[in-house]
Amino acid sequence: DAKTTQPNSMESNEEEPVHLPCNHSTISGTDYIHWYRQLPSQGPEYVIHGLTSNVNNRMASLAIAEDRKSSTLILHRATLRDAAVYYCILNYGGATNKLIFGTGTLLAVQP
Amino acid sequence: GAVVSQHPSRVICKSGTSVKIECRSLDFQATTMFWYRQFPKQSLMLMATSNEGSKATYEQGVEKDKFLINHASLTLSTLTVTSAHPEDSSFYICSASWGGDQPQHFGDGTRLSIL
Repeated sequence: DAKTTQPNSMESNEEEPVHLPCNHSTISGTDYIHWYRQLPSQGPEYVIHGLTSNVNNRMASLAIAEDRKSSTLILHRATLRDAAVYYCILNYGGATNKLIFGTGTLLAVQP
Repeated sequence: GAVVSQHPSRVICKSGTSVKIECRSLDFQATTMFWYRQFPKQSLMLMATSNEGSKATYEQGVEKDKFLINHASLTLSTLTVTSAHPEDSSFYICSASWGGDQPQHFGDGTRLSIL
């Protein structure tokens, strides 16, 4: 099963961009790259996902390396509400849409 | 607004009690629902995958007789923790998806405390 590697923690300042990296060197051709985040005592929240091309939505941007072995979640202007654990997950087995969570990156945002 | 509703949000009960947790998809038909468990300061652990009208698929190490899952309709799945004991105390989270590579939508979780 393809796994992802993320830094345990990162810090950012409010209103500055944040780049959260994720390595997935054993990704298969059909694996989508999903990002979720979890605030304390809440269920995870979907952020963004993509396959090969870079993706943008109202929450973030996802930059995917050309060889797909790594990706970066970009928060354009961090706010205090963005402090959370961010999970980069590969979508195993398209039919079941199963997600296997790793340890994620704990993002701290300083005012 | 929330697309997946999970109830109750918190349960405190005595050892030996069976506890039922409901997960509802509010504005879409979820072909697949998932149940996770999360212990303090740990990541989410997938317990089982549930498809409407069929038996749930449990992950390795999860006791299916302990954690009963029913997915009777496209909008409702339930997890029953049978004869719960203190070691079952955890944060239980459900999610729903309409399948394929679409994102999962998560409930707010149920904090289960067994005394």
